[in-house]
Amino acid sequence: SQTIHQWPATLVQPVGSPLSLECTVEGTSNPNLYWYRQAAGRGLQLLFYSVGIGQISSEVPQNLSASRPQDRQFILSSKKLLLSDSGFYLCAWSVHRTDTQYFGPGTRLTVL
Amino acid sequence: AQKVTQAQTEISVVEKEDVTLDCVYETRDTTYYLFWYKQPPSGELVFLIRRNSFDEQNEISGRYSWNFQKSTSSFNFTITASQVVDSAVYFCALVSGGYQKVTFGIGTKLQVIP
Repeated sequence: SQTIHQWPATLVQPVGSPLSLECTVEGTSNPNLYWYRQAAGRGLQLLFYSVGIGQISSEVPQNLSASRPQDRQFILSSKKLLLSDSGFYLCAWSVHRTDTQYFGPGTRLTVL
Repeated sequence: AQKVTQAQTEISVVEKEDVTLDCVYETRDTTYYLFWYKQPPSGELVFLIRRNSFDEQNEISGRYSWNFQKSTSSFNFTITASQVVDSAVYFCALVSGGYQKVTFGIGTKLQVIP
């Protein structure tokens, strides 16, 4: 069966510091991968998606970036965090873009 | 473009009551897929159901049931005999063949009071 992992689970970072969140999927090949952000009490905002290694599409221009160095690894990064980057970050995968997305446990990021 | 509207931001019910969560969608495509997810306090989104636009049959899974009506562009979710464990935020989502990006509703927070 397929599983999706995210780490860390929680993170507290100062403004201006770098960020690296990692997501890995097991039990499937060539998945579509997604990064979402959920601000407190808000809906889900799609940040990036990837249909293959090295292929990243950005949905919202901002100071975040994503990379997919391996087939089942998806990384969300920032060089300098802003207060507005605080939120709950969710990674998801699907077989195809219209298929069900399955979500990881999420990373709760607080920028102080 | 596509849109999902969950007009109910918060609902409170007493345990054992039935509750219906509304979802209205907009898309110009004839082929599309609708989803419901549950987000308990732990945060992880749990998949509940996927329905394609060509299948209007209602579905029942235990205490959960879904009513898909293309005529009103709605995909409502009913929980029968609600329990405290049903307390969560529920998201409706849509992806269409032409757009191929999932659009989530803003979510409905359900609180079941013992």
